[in-house]
Amino acid sequence: GEDVEQSLFLSVREGDSSVINCTYTDSSSTYLYWYKQEPGAGLQLLTYIFSNMDMKQDQRLTVLLNKKDKHLSLRIADTQTGDSAIYFCAESIESGGYNKLIFGAGTRLAVHP
Amino acid sequence: GAVVSQHPSRVICKSGTSVKIECRSLDFQATTMFWYRQFPKKSLMLMATSNEGSKATYEQGVEKDKFLINHASLTLSTLTVTSAHPEDSSFYICSASLLPGQGARNIQYFGAGTRLSVL
Repeated sequence: GEDVEQSLFLSVREGDSSVINCTYTDSSSTYLYWYKQEPGAGLQLLTYIFSNMDMKQDQRLTVLLNKKDKHLSLRIADTQTGDSAIYFCAESIESGGYNKLIFGAGTRLAVHP
Repeated sequence: GAVVSQHPSRVICKSGTSVKIECRSLDFQATTMFWYRQFPKKSLMLMATSNEGSKATYEQGVEKDKFLINHASLTLSTLTVTSAHPEDSSFYICSASLLPGQGARNIQYFGAGTRLSVL
């Protein structure tokens, strides 16, 4: 079945690194994504990783993928108060000729001084 | 680039009325648009997938007569909540993916969402 799981809450101090973890079930997923949602807003694509990659770095963001364990993580270096938001992990499933996204429940990141 | 506009951002309506939500891709053509529903502090649930010029594909448990989807052009999809009731109150979000050849086809770009409150 299709299922994506994330821890629901993470609290970090400003300046520290944040690591948000995600597990997924469908081994045929071609892409995995991280989206950010601020209160009352839509989803902003942060980054994505192709399933044949182990790591992707983009400025303060580092994505690690362990395909064997179906584990995805997002590391935010030097976390700032503006990073406070909900972070959604999503896997891409091919269905009927298009790619359907299956989202986790979201991890609420709280950054405190 | 890849901006998706959703309108209105918020709507309050009386029970029994119909509400139309628009989703537009502003700077790209979208072969496929998706409609999601998000409950408070919950994840996004895919309601339906719409392709330009064809009927939408609804997820299991989503009433197609209740949630009418029209995708008349490569830049516009609409979701109409017919005969809305309080239990339809929710946050509705659309997304759009690029045409083949325009970039990573698997990427979905999201609108800002519409908060529907049915009294």
